[in-house]
Formats: sequence, structure tokens, C-alpha cells
Amino acid sequence: SYVLTQPPSVSVAPGKTARITCGGNNIGSKSVHWYQQKPGQAPVLVIYYDSDRPSGIPERFSGSNSGNTATLTISRVEAGDEADYYCQVWDSSSDHPYVFGGGTKLTVL
Amino acid sequence: EVQLVQSGAEVKKPGESLKISCKGSGYSFTSYWIGWVRQMPGKGLEWMGIIYPGDSDTRYSPSFQGQVTISADKSISTAYLQWSSLKASDTAMYYCASDYGGKNYFDYWGQGTLVTVSS
Repeated sequence: SYVLTQPPSVSVAPGKTARITCGGNNIGSKSVHWYQQKPGQAPVLVIYYDSDRPSGIPERFSGSNSGNTATLTISRVEAGDEADYYCQVWDSSSDHPYVFGGGTKLTVL
Repeated sequence: EVQLVQSGAEVKKPGESLKISCKGSGYSFTSYWIGWVRQMPGKGLEWMGIIYPGDSDTRYSPSFQGQVTISADKSISTAYLQWSSLKASDTAMYYCASDYGGKNYFDYWGQGTLVTVSS
């Protein structure tokens, strides 16, 4: 089945830019979605179809996808952005089509 | 406003059965796929399976096939996840989440149901 690889952790200072990667074989040919999960809360969709934002998600959140890497970029990071972030794709060729990455813990220093 | 409201936390013994629920509101329940996602303590998200309440079309992850049953009652806009014989390793948070029209991502999530299995 398809495998998504994320770094376990990313640290960033407030006001700086955080980049969280999601690696997969030719992931650029798939649509990537990103979820934010704060401690004790359910996940929230923050990016869908590589770079679209649901209503209510700040413009500071953006996404890109090319080659073997998708990236979630958070600009002007705030303390409230500290959370786990998960990428997800839909693998149409699999009997396990909804595939999640292992998650990345974003720490705001 | 789309809402998914899950049933409350459960504490069960190994071997017991369990059925947890996820009630949808604020949208046409039969127009969304409803998926179930497991999160074991301190771990990531795992897709378990999904159901389309409109016709009860159900798909399972191979990892969960035969271990759980997903069902839905569209008359009361509720989806279910059930176990016939729980194991300690089923201890986890379980989320339901909606996929509108088969767009292949989960746009709304329930608040989660914590299942604890312990003797």
C-alpha cells in the first residue's frame, strides 16, 4: 500500500515560517490534504486538494505538491499553531484508499 | 452547520461487545460518506473503513476487515462502529468523519469516542 512519510517534529520561532513535508512515491500525481490536531481535540481540515483552504482557515496556511514531496507552509507562525499535522492522500489503486502520514508535531519555540 | 456528534466514552472488559455511534446533522446524511478513524494513545491516525448511508455501501481497511462492523441507519442520520469481542489493543480514540460526495478527504469530524478495554 501507499506510504506517506512525515518528519516527527518541526520547531519554529513565533513569526517565522514553518514547512512540514510529506513524502510519497510520485505524490505530485495525487491530491494531498492536511489536518491539524491540537491536544485533546479532533483533527481539523486545513488544506485540501494540495493548496485549497476551507473557509475559516487563515491565509497563513498554504500547501504545495510536486514530485515526491508535498509541503504544508505556515507563515507568521503563532503559538496557537502548535499542534500535530497529518497529510493524507487517496490511493485509488489500493484497498486501503485513505492513507495518512505518520504526523508531525509542530513546536512553537 | 454540519455537525457529527459521537456517543460518550466507554470502559469495557476484554471479550465484551460494543457499538458506538456518530449522529450527523445540518446536512443531507445520505449525501456524505462517513468514515471511521482510529487513534491509539500517543499515535497517529488510521483509516478503518467508510460507509455511504444512502445505499449502505461499506469499505474496510484490510487491517480492520473482520475486526469491526460499520453500519448506518439513515432514518436517524446515525452511523455505527461495533465490535463483537473487544481486546485490550482496541483501546483508542475513535473518530467519525465525513467525506462529502466522495471528494476523498474528511471535511468534518466528530469529537471522538474514547474506548478503554481493560480487565
